[in-house]
Amino acid sequence: DVKVTQSSRYLVKRTGEKVFLECVQDMDHENMFWYRQDPGLGLRLIYFSYDVKMKEKGDIPEGYSVSREKKERFSLILESASTNQTSMYLCASSSAGTGLINEKLFFGSGTQLSVL
Amino acid sequence: GEDVEQSLFLSVREGDSSVINCTYTDSSSTYLYWYKQEPGAGLQLLTYIFSNMDMKQDQRLTVLLNKKDKHLSLRIADTQTGDSAIYFCAENPQAGTALIFGKGTTLSVSS
Repeated sequence: DVKVTQSSRYLVKRTGEKVFLECVQDMDHENMFWYRQDPGLGLRLIYFSYDVKMKEKGDIPEGYSVSREKKERFSLILESASTNQTSMYLCASSSAGTGLINEKLFFGSGTQLSVL
Repeated sequence: GEDVEQSLFLSVREGDSSVINCTYTDSSSTYLYWYKQEPGAGLQLLTYIFSNMDMKQDQRLTVLLNKKDKHLSLRIADTQTGDSAIYFCAENPQAGTALIFGKGTTLSVSS
């Protein structure tokens, strides 16, 4: 079974702290994604990566950065956490192959981040 | 701009059919997807339909696609309490780009 593992299920941080959210996948997937999920707003794409050391901005990249030093790991960084970054963060991965559903995403269980 | 629209809530009784509707904007989308999110979990792919199909059936699930109206629906027959979840519609307007998700429909099933 494909596994996408997010390092923390719940996280509480203070305003101004630097926050690292880690995500690891074990299926050798090329693509990795970070979304945030808020009630009434659905999923919004923050950043994604199609290869090691490669990153692309999504719809809401402001206040975030990412790091992809190894294929299996994609980190989301909040340089200076703010209260409006309190949210559920979801990591996902997918294969870049030419299979029938090459955009099939596998999601982690999410990290609920609270910034106080 | 690109947008995927869904109603936010649906409430049904156990044993009834549920129909969740979605409209999308990009007629070039190759595949359209339905993802399910159970409480406290990430999203899981439930089913998908290729854009040249009108209908796809998979056990209790039926997906209908109306390309002319850019309308997608998911029907769940004999809805069970375990079907209570948030259901997301998603499209991929360009191969290799990230999926665009709707805001999700919360399905509540009462016994």
